[in-house]
Amino acid sequence: SQQGEEDPQALSIQEGENATMNCSYKTSINNLQWYRQNSGRGLVHLILIRSNEREKHSGRLRVTLDTSKKSSSLLITASRAADTASYFCATDSGGSNYKLTFGKGTLLTVNP
Amino acid sequence: DTAVSQTPKYLVTQMGNDKSIKCEQNLGHDTMYWYKQDSKKFLKIMFSYNNKELIINETVPNRFSPKSPDKAHLNLHINSLELGDSAVYFCASSPRSGANVLTFGAGSRLTVL
Repeated sequence: SQQGEEDPQALSIQEGENATMNCSYKTSINNLQWYRQNSGRGLVHLILIRSNEREKHSGRLRVTLDTSKKSSSLLITASRAADTASYFCATDSGGSNYKLTFGKGTLLTVNP
Repeated sequence: DTAVSQTPKYLVTQMGNDKSIKCEQNLGHDTMYWYKQDSKKFLKIMFSYNNKELIINETVPNRFSPKSPDKAHLNLHINSLELGDSAVYFCASSPRSGANVLTFGAGSRLTVL
C-alpha cells in the first residue's frame, strides 16, 4: 500500500527561489529518504533522515521530520534550472523484510 | 562505469508475448529489487532478493518470475504480457537487506500493444 503522499503534486518556481515539498505518511517509520528523478532516468538518493532526527542538511538541501505529525519537508534553497525533476519521499519500517515505500512525487520545474 | 545497469532500455511487444528484462550491479551489494513505475509515476516494489534468496514478493501475479543466478544479477521474466503491464521497471540494489539507501538503474520502459 502507498505510504507517502507528496504535496504539492507540481511546483513551478523561478531560478534563485526556494522550493519546499512536503511528504506525509501513515505508519511508523524507521527512516525517511528523499530521492530525485530526472525525466527518463532512474531515481537518485538525496538524503536520509532517521526517525530520531528532526532536521538534516546536505548542501542546498534541508530536510525536516516531524514524527508526531507523520510528515517531512524537503527545502531546496537557491534553486537552479538543473534542479528540475520529480522528488519522491520514501519510508521504511526496518526489519528483515526491508523495503522502501515511495510516495507519488512532486514535479518541480525551475524556470531560468 | 554504470553501477546498476538494465537491458533493454525500451521494449515494445504484443499482448500475450513473453519478455525478459535483465539487471546487473557492480557495487558488490547483497540485495536487489524490482520496482514498477506506472504512468502516474507511482513507484511500487515488486520483489527483493538478498544474496539470491527471495525476500519480498509483493503480491505480484504469477506471470512475473524473477531469477537471481548470483547476487550481482536479478532478471525479470514476464509471461503472457497484458496491456496493464505497460510501465517503467526499475532495478535497484542496496548493500544488504535492512540497509537504507537504494541505487537505481535507469529503468526499462515496457510498452504492451
